[in-house]
Amino acid sequence: GQSLEQPSEVTAVEGAIVQINCTYQTSGFYGLSWYQQHDGGAPTFLSYNALDGLEETGRFSSFLSRSDSYGYLLLQELQMKDSASYFCAVRSVGATNKLIFGTGTLLAVQP
Amino acid sequence: DAGVIQSPRHEVTEMGQEVTLRCKPISGHDYLFWYRQTMMRGLELLIYFNNNVPIDDSGMPEDRFSAKMPNASFSTLKIQPSEPRDSAVYFCASKQGHRGYTFGSGTRLTVV
Repeated sequence: GQSLEQPSEVTAVEGAIVQINCTYQTSGFYGLSWYQQHDGGAPTFLSYNALDGLEETGRFSSFLSRSDSYGYLLLQELQMKDSASYFCAVRSVGATNKLIFGTGTLLAVQP
Repeated sequence: DAGVIQSPRHEVTEMGQEVTLRCKPISGHDYLFWYRQTMMRGLELLIYFNNNVPIDDSGMPEDRFSAKMPNASFSTLKIQPSEPRDSAVYFCASKQGHRGYTFGSGTRLTVV
């Protein structure tokens, strides 16, 4: 089976840096993805890590350590519009097009 | 690119009625997914198709749920008969190859 763990809520202030962690357990592993979902909206793709290391896309970065079954999403220069839920998701070997989502982390950015 | 289009955006129906949710994926995308989102269970994969063929329907909760994809540009998710516990937001998503998923705006279903 597969399971993913994320903190349920994180609070930070505008301009700060926040890290959202994700630990996973899968029978196989093909990659870790991150999605953002604003209240009432659809999830939108942020990043994907198939190999260990850091991937940077503007203010957002994502990190993966396959040996630790761990990844994180790093958001820099936080803005109010970053207030949303963030989901990590795994693709498993043998079902490479099947994404299983974590329970999500609600990020509240305060002025 | 109009994105993934779902209809209706909102649906309120009475218990026991048939409900049909519709999805138009992005042109050229060869995978289509149906997800359900609730507070209690989060985002659950119900079924996915590759080139219009159902590949994995292990997430479909029970026989009351069925999904079809008659062609590359259209899919339906049907619930018959509907029950209050089916109330949720249903998302359709599509993708091409190994790229990230693109989700539709969802259908908020309320069964009373």
